[in-house]
Amino acid sequence: AQSVTQPDIHITVSEGASLELRCNYSYGATPYLFWYVQSPGQGLQLLLKYFSGDTLVQGIKGFEAEFKRSQSSFNLRKPSVHWSDAAEYFCAVGATNGGSQGNLIFGKGTKLSVKP
Amino acid sequence: NAGVTQTPKFQVLKTGQSMTLQCAQDMNHEYMSWYRQDPGMGLRLIHYSVGAGITDQGEVPNGYNVSRSTTEDFPLRLLSAAPSQTSVYFCASSSGTGINSPLHFGNGTRLTVT
Repeated sequence: AQSVTQPDIHITVSEGASLELRCNYSYGATPYLFWYVQSPGQGLQLLLKYFSGDTLVQGIKGFEAEFKRSQSSFNLRKPSVHWSDAAEYFCAVGATNGGSQGNLIFGKGTKLSVKP
Repeated sequence: NAGVTQTPKFQVLKTGQSMTLQCAQDMNHEYMSWYRQDPGMGLRLIHYSVGAGITDQGEVPNGYNVSRSTTEDFPLRLLSAAPSQTSVYFCASSSGTGINSPLHFGNGTRLTVT
């Protein structure tokens, strides 16, 4: 069955430091992969997505992610974190149900705290 | 541009009561879905719809009903609320099939069942 693992429940980084959030997926075929961000009290917002092609994808707010098939990973990175990046981050994989339709399976999330 | 609108924002129910969580989108999206979010559990899919008149179960459908009479609306019904249904509920919509287009989320309904 398809699944998504985010190994880190909570990460704290200093403002200006680099960031990497880990995501591993289990899926038989080439996956559709997403990163979403959730600010407190809000719904989720798409940061970036990977469907095919270049394995390094750029997203909004200066984030990027790299798809590594050999490691079944889709880690999210940012070179310099800002205090406003404090939020919860969710990795998701698009899973088909055998037809043309499908749904997203979400990881359990990584909460990011930013130290001044 | 309203996007996905959920009402109410907060609700407290007693065990056994029923209620409907409303979700409406104004983007003419075919795909709509309901998730629940619990601490440490991420988001789990309850029900989804790929178009008016079509609904299907997700990962955790028990205790919930849905219908999709129009493209715009996708209400979630709790027939007999239980404390285990205390959660934050998110409605989402997409222009695609549910996996190849980004989901647009509402701001959630926080439900407490006592």
